[in-house]
Amino acid sequence: QQQVKQSPQSLIVQKGGISIINCAYENTAFDYFPWYQQFPGKGPALLIAIRPDVSEKKEGRFTISFNKSAKQFSLHIMDSQPGDSATYFCAATLRGSNYKLTFGKGTLLTVNP
Amino acid sequence: GAVVSQHPSRVICKSGTSVKIECRSLDFQATTMFWYRQFPKQSLMLMATSNEGSKATYEQGVEKDKFLINHASLTLSTLTVTSAHPEDSSFYICSARVPGGNTEAFFGQGTRLTVV
Repeated sequence: QQQVKQSPQSLIVQKGGISIINCAYENTAFDYFPWYQQFPGKGPALLIAIRPDVSEKKEGRFTISFNKSAKQFSLHIMDSQPGDSATYFCAATLRGSNYKLTFGKGTLLTVNP
Repeated sequence: GAVVSQHPSRVICKSGTSVKIECRSLDFQATTMFWYRQFPKQSLMLMATSNEGSKATYEQGVEKDKFLINHASLTLSTLTVTSAHPEDSSFYICSARVPGGNTEAFFGQGTRLTVV
């Protein structure tokens, strides 16, 4: 059973556009929701994260929107750049699991120049 | 942020041999490290949780005797793929969390294992 569902699987955006990636979770005990960026052949790197007591968090061009009642959260990349082309993973974790991460399946983002 | 270093970044080994991958936390002590496996164009699959000074906790379906994990110190965890076969070829990634800090997990750069 996949606990974190991510969509779309792939996304193509023009430079300067907005990239939006969505995730939905099932376990209401999750209490930390990070987004990771991964370039080919590299390990994931934390991009931005949010806790369920906050509905939105913004860091530079990256914003997480969180809807606790719908059990959904999304990543918005404003003014998308070719350098943002990478695979993005949403994840969720909870304290009781020793902060074990449950990942979504990933979204391959391509930003065309 | 904290740095997690993985070595080697790439390794090619022959079928039947064993290969060891190291994961080090460079500027913090990690009581817990995680090992993941990632197939091309797929997500990260948690293999096991490595606990310093105790046995690793393996996820369902992961063979303990094939993927040996040792966490002998607070800065080093190792994953040994024993009697490797071509189907073990994959991208292996470790991560660690700073104890007492927030829940951010820091990942190593990954190890590309190719078994020929």
